[in-house]
Amino acid sequence: EAGVAQSPRYKIIEKRQSVAFWCNPISGHATLYWYQQILGQGPKLLIQFQNNGVVDDSQLPKDRFSAERLKGVDSTLKIQPAKLEDSAVYLCASSPTSETQYFGPGTRLLVL
Amino acid sequence: GENVEQHPSTLSVQEGDSAVIKCTYSDSASNYFPWYKQELGKRPQLIIDIRSNVGEKKDQRIAVTLNKTAKHFSLHITETQPEDSAVYFCAAYSGGSNYKLTFGKGTLLTVNP
Repeated sequence: EAGVAQSPRYKIIEKRQSVAFWCNPISGHATLYWYQQILGQGPKLLIQFQNNGVVDDSQLPKDRFSAERLKGVDSTLKIQPAKLEDSAVYLCASSPTSETQYFGPGTRLLVL
Repeated sequence: GENVEQHPSTLSVQEGDSAVIKCTYSDSASNYFPWYKQELGKRPQLIIDIRSNVGEKKDQRIAVTLNKTAKHFSLHITETQPEDSAVYFCAAYSGGSNYKLTFGKGTLLTVNP
C-alpha cells in the first residue's frame, strides 16, 4: 500500500513570499489533515477535511493560510504571505476513519 | 478543548533496560489513544494504540496502559535497543463534539549501547 505523499520535501523562502504544499493521501482515505510541527513540539492540527468538506479549521490562521481539497483526494495548503514564525514541518495525514492517522514525510519550510 | 501533557520530555536509558513514558489528558470524552514514534527528519509512525474500552494492550516489546478514571495512559518499552531511540508522541482523540487528535509535546528517548 502506497503511503501519504507530499511535495516539496524542503522549501526555503523569504518572509512575505508565498508558498504552497501538496498532499496526496492514501487511496480511499476520506479524511485528510494538515498539521504544523514546530521544532521540539508535537504536531498541531491546522485543518481537517472529510472528503472535500472542511470539518475543523479552528486553528488555521485564516488571514494567511488557506487549504483546499477540491475533488476530495489531493489537497494543497498555501501560506500568503509567510512570516518567520511559519518555519516548521508541515505534515499531511490521512485516515480511513477519524481515528488512526497515517502521516506523510512532511515539508520542511524555512522562512528567512 | 483537549489538553495532553506528556512526561518526561527527555529519557535516557541503557540498552536492555525498560522505558516508560506517561501522558495525561483532560477531556473525559476522549476514547482513542495512539502512540507515534518519530525518528529524526522522518514522519511520525503509529506504533501502538488503545481504545477506552481496554485497559492494556501489548505488541512484542511495547505495551500501553490506560486508566480512564485518572485520565492517564502510559507507553512501556521493554528490553530497549538503540534503534528505539526517537521522539515518542502520545495523542488523545475525542469522539465527542471535538473530533480531533491532540498530541503531547513528545519525549526524546535515547538508548545507550
